[in-house]
Amino acid sequence: GDSVTQMEGPVTLSEEAFLTINCTYTATGYPSLFWYVQYPGEGLQLLLKATKADDKGSNKGFEATYRKETTSFHLEKGSVQVSDSAVYFCARGPQGGSEKLVFGKGTKLTVNP
Amino acid sequence: NAGVTQTPKFQVLKTGQSMTLQCAQDMNHEYMSWYRQDPGMGLRLIHYSVGAGITDQGEVPNGYNVSRSTTEDFPLRLLSAAPSQTSVYFCASRLTSGGSDEQFFGPGTRLTVL
Repeated sequence: GDSVTQMEGPVTLSEEAFLTINCTYTATGYPSLFWYVQYPGEGLQLLLKATKADDKGSNKGFEATYRKETTSFHLEKGSVQVSDSAVYFCARGPQGGSEKLVFGKGTKLTVNP
Repeated sequence: NAGVTQTPKFQVLKTGQSMTLQCAQDMNHEYMSWYRQDPGMGLRLIHYSVGAGITDQGEVPNGYNVSRSTTEDFPLRLLSAAPSQTSVYFCASRLTSGGSDEQFFGPGTRLTVL
C-alpha cells in the first residue's frame, strides 16, 4: 500500500542521550523524504529533507539518510536537549501522479533534564 | 511573506452550527490541503486542491466542504458541526511545478464542538 511507518511513541530520553526514530516507507519510485517537527501548540515545520537516494538531510544536529535498499529514512541525533521535546513526523513526497504527501502517525519525544 | 495563515486560532461551536475555517497563503502555491490532527491518529487529509477551481477529497471528507476560487485562499466549511469534529485543523500548501516538494503548514485552528 501507500504508507509511511514510523516507530510508535512516546519516547522519553534524558538530556544528551542518543536519539533514533525509525521510519520506513513504500514507494514505486524515488520520492523526496521529509522529517517534520511539531512543537507544543504549534503547526508542523520542516526539520530536514532528502530528495534522492543516499542523500543525507541535516538540520539542528538531526540527520537522516535516504536508504532506497531498505526503504528507510531514520532520524538520528547524537545528543538531545530538553528543547527537542516535540512530535516528529516522517513523510514521503508525492509520486505516481498524486500530489499528496503521505505522513507517518508521529512520534512524541520528551527529553528530561 | 506571511506564509500560511489560518483564522481563527480557537473556536467553540454547538452541535449543528456551521462555520468556515479560513486559510490563505501568499507564496503562489498551487497545492493546498486541509488536515485534522487527533490524539494518536496523526494527520488525516480532509480535502485538497491542486489549483484554483479544482478540489478533491482526502481520507476523511465527510462533513466538510471546500472551494478554491483563488490561488491564495482555501476555506474549509463545516455545514453542521458534530462533536466528532472536535480536533485541531491544519492548512498546508506547496508548489507543484518545478521546485521543492516542501509543504508549509499554518499554525492551526483548535475547534471544540459541544
